[in-house]
Amino acid sequence: AAGVIQSPRHLIKEKRETATLKCYPIPRHDTVYWYQQGPGQDPQFLISFYEKMQSDKGSIPDRFSAQQFSDYHSELNMSSLELGDSALYFCASSLTAGEHNEKLFFGSGTQLSVL
Amino acid sequence: GQNIDQPTEMTATEGAIVQINCTYQTSGFNGLFWYQQHAGEAPTFLSYNVLDGLEEKGRFSSFLSRSKGYSYLLLKELQMKDSASYLCASKNAGNMLTFGGGTRLMVKP
Repeated sequence: AAGVIQSPRHLIKEKRETATLKCYPIPRHDTVYWYQQGPGQDPQFLISFYEKMQSDKGSIPDRFSAQQFSDYHSELNMSSLELGDSALYFCASSLTAGEHNEKLFFGSGTQLSVL
Repeated sequence: GQNIDQPTEMTATEGAIVQINCTYQTSGFNGLFWYQQHAGEAPTFLSYNVLDGLEEKGRFSSFLSRSKGYSYLLLKELQMKDSASYLCASKNAGNMLTFGGGTRLMVKP
């Protein structure tokens, strides 16, 4: 079965650089979520999109932006990178339609290291 | 807002039973999830409760009490591969999932 695909798997950047993370949700899933997980910490919700519109916003810095495209893939754009941005970034998708609030399926994550 | 509490670490013996508790305070509560996460890997879905009661799925069961804001994950017949972090997460009416800090479970022989 198809899963959530994230790219790249690993990314190394320097301070003040920009980074773009990509997420391809499970086919037919209509909602995409972005989470940031620092070492030894729980995943922190950043932002979500439902049917290509932003639906919820969490602790996403102003330096970050995200969007969902017509093919439902999503990109997280990160500018003016800081050392503290080093973390594992997970994308998750779900099918929200109908009565059942379906579970989130997570991608394998992008490990971002800012040097 | 949302606030989720669970123990930081637990240790159990192979073959035993362990219960991981989670308390939550969630505005517009709309369900409680348990996820398993091995180090450096993505969280994987274990269970979902939205109504009071026990949901059993093989060696894993999850319980929810909405009135008490309480859930637990029960793992039976523990195996070494069950050593992982177990994340309690609550969903609000807007479908946003908020994770607790996770419980790191160590299974010993």
